[in-house]
Amino acid sequence: ETGVTQTPRHLVMGMTNKKSLKCEQHLGHNAMYWYKQSAKKPLELMFVYNFKEQTENNSVPSRFSPECPNSSHLFLHLHTLQPEDSALYLCASSQVERMETQYFGPGTRLLVL
Amino acid sequence: DQQVKQNSPSLSVQEGRISILNCDYTNSMFDYFLWYKKYPAEGPTFLISISSIKDKNEDGRFTVFLNKSAKHLSLHIVPSQPGDSAVYFCASTAGNQFYFGTGTSLTVIP
Repeated sequence: ETGVTQTPRHLVMGMTNKKSLKCEQHLGHNAMYWYKQSAKKPLELMFVYNFKEQTENNSVPSRFSPECPNSSHLFLHLHTLQPEDSALYLCASSQVERMETQYFGPGTRLLVL
Repeated sequence: DQQVKQNSPSLSVQEGRISILNCDYTNSMFDYFLWYKKYPAEGPTFLISISSIKDKNEDGRFTVFLNKSAKHLSLHIVPSQPGDSAVYFCASTAGNQFYFGTGTSLTVIP
């Protein structure tokens, strides 16, 4: 498989559930990102990982917990989410020295009931 | 407060004509400006970028213009093709931070 893949593509969860979003990149990149896109809003950068180390956390609530076990994989662990967290969650990757050129996955459409 | 704005949510253009997509930004510290293209059910795809030290970058049918004094960015597509129909996002970067616009949906009419 090539590029950036995300699983699952769709997820419905209750507010008391715990779930995880997975992202995998097959591009040899060393930086990975999580974005959130809510309806009629721009993409919002949530987290940045460079060489597996988190370098940015844009005031994201603690109910979102990222994990980057290696340069190819990125997870977003979700627990006790709110309905307003329903959105499209996009993963991206890049080379650290070319962060302006990111490659995106297809996203996970999340619905919190 | 949005740092990158795309004020036109949609644009329709006849095939073969020029498409001009516009973007305004507020932060003079942005160092790169980018355009991404998105088809339904897919993630955004990088299209073209421009450094803040340049005012024009061209790649085939796509040209990006940067007017720093006006804090304005535009993407020209010439000639437009039906396959260009998609949502176009502009984005700006400052260090590790990325800021995206809300997108402009381009429809190229055959």
